[in-house]
This record gives sequence, structure tokens and C-alpha cells, in this order.
Amino acid sequence: QQPVQSPQAVILREGEDAVINCSSSKALYSVHWYRQKHGEAPVFLMILLKGGEQKGHEKISASFNEKKQQSSLYLTASQLSYSGTYFCGTEGGSARQLTFGSGTQLTVLP
Amino acid sequence: DTAVSQTPKYLVTQMGNDKSIKCEQNLGHDTMYWYKQDSKKFLKIMFSYNNKELIINETVPNRFSPKSPDKAHLNLHINSLELGDSAVYFCASSGGLGEQFFGPGTRLTVL
Repeated sequence: QQPVQSPQAVILREGEDAVINCSSSKALYSVHWYRQKHGEAPVFLMILLKGGEQKGHEKISASFNEKKQQSSLYLTASQLSYSGTYFCGTEGGSARQLTFGSGTQLTVLP
Repeated sequence: DTAVSQTPKYLVTQMGNDKSIKCEQNLGHDTMYWYKQDSKKFLKIMFSYNNKELIINETVPNRFSPKSPDKAHLNLHINSLELGDSAVYFCASSGGLGEQFFGPGTRLTVL
């Protein structure tokens, strides 16, 4: 079942912060986050394994609440280059197949 | 140096035709995938292939068939193309933790 992402879209000014949420109705083994710019392929940002760990990538970090089956992506002091569509991908079994959310379109304005 | 490559980048064809998309990865990964991204950007897995084990998403029509000549290649063959097959198709391979590395995509347009 497809994870639910929120918000669907967000517009920021450079330097502002944003949070993107991803929730699943089933138990998760891991959560992935990807960013896709227009006309390009999705690019891997980070993976969070069950255990509630938080990871960081430059000024982008994420958390994973295994009990709530939720993950959040935090973008701090956003830059123009952060614009794109962010997808969470959830993995619930051993097949290493990801089910992606519908995406959050992030636009950073100067 | 391209990690995951696909050809062709664009494919325009008529309904009813058969076409193939090629994918190659030089990352040494064991698992490869095909995804379909529709006009609403919904990214849906079609197949995963690991050590000759094929896992098929049950919603994929049997007109679609993956073919893997070796561990570095996973091609996608589509028979009897339909209008609804128009989409961007991404090949990907996964590393040790399952992180996905996507190819540049093939935009398929069926007329």
C-alpha cells in the first residue's frame, strides 16, 4: 500500500525551513528519501532503517518513528538547489521492493 | 562513468508495436528494477530482478517482460503497445542497504 506524503506542495523563500512527512499503514523495515528535479531521475538522499535513527545529509536530515510507521524529512535553511519533488519510499518486506509516496513538490524562491 | 544507463532516451511509436528499452549498470549491484512514472509523477515498481529471481508486481500486464542477459543488464520488452503505456520508464539498481540508483529514464510516447 502506498505511503501517504504531506504536504503535497510547499513554497519557501531561501533560508526558510520545511518538513515533509511520510506515513504508512503497515510495518516498515526501512524508509528511503529521494529528490527528483524536473526532467531528471530521482536521486537518493538517505535511508533510515528501523530503530528510530536520525540521519543527516548537508542541511537535510530525517527521522524514522518505527512505532508510528512515520518518517519526516527536515530541510533547514533551504537553498534554491533544494527545489524539486521529494519522494519517500517504504520497504516492508524482504524483497527490497520500494513503494513510493505520491511526492511533495518543493519550490524555493529567491 | 555513468552508473546506470538506459537507451533510448526517447521512444515514439504506434499502438500495437513491440519495443525494447535497454538498461546497464556498472556498479556491481546484484538487484535491478524497472519503474514506471506516469504523468502525475507517481513512481511505481514494475519488476525487481536479483540473481535470476524475478519478482513481478501483480498489476503489471504480461505484455511487459524483463530480460536479463547478465547481472549488469536488465532490459524491458513491451508487446502490443497501448496508449496507456505512455510514461517515463526508469531502470534502477540497488546497493547493499537497498538504496536505489536510477538511470536517466526513457520517455515512451505511444501514438
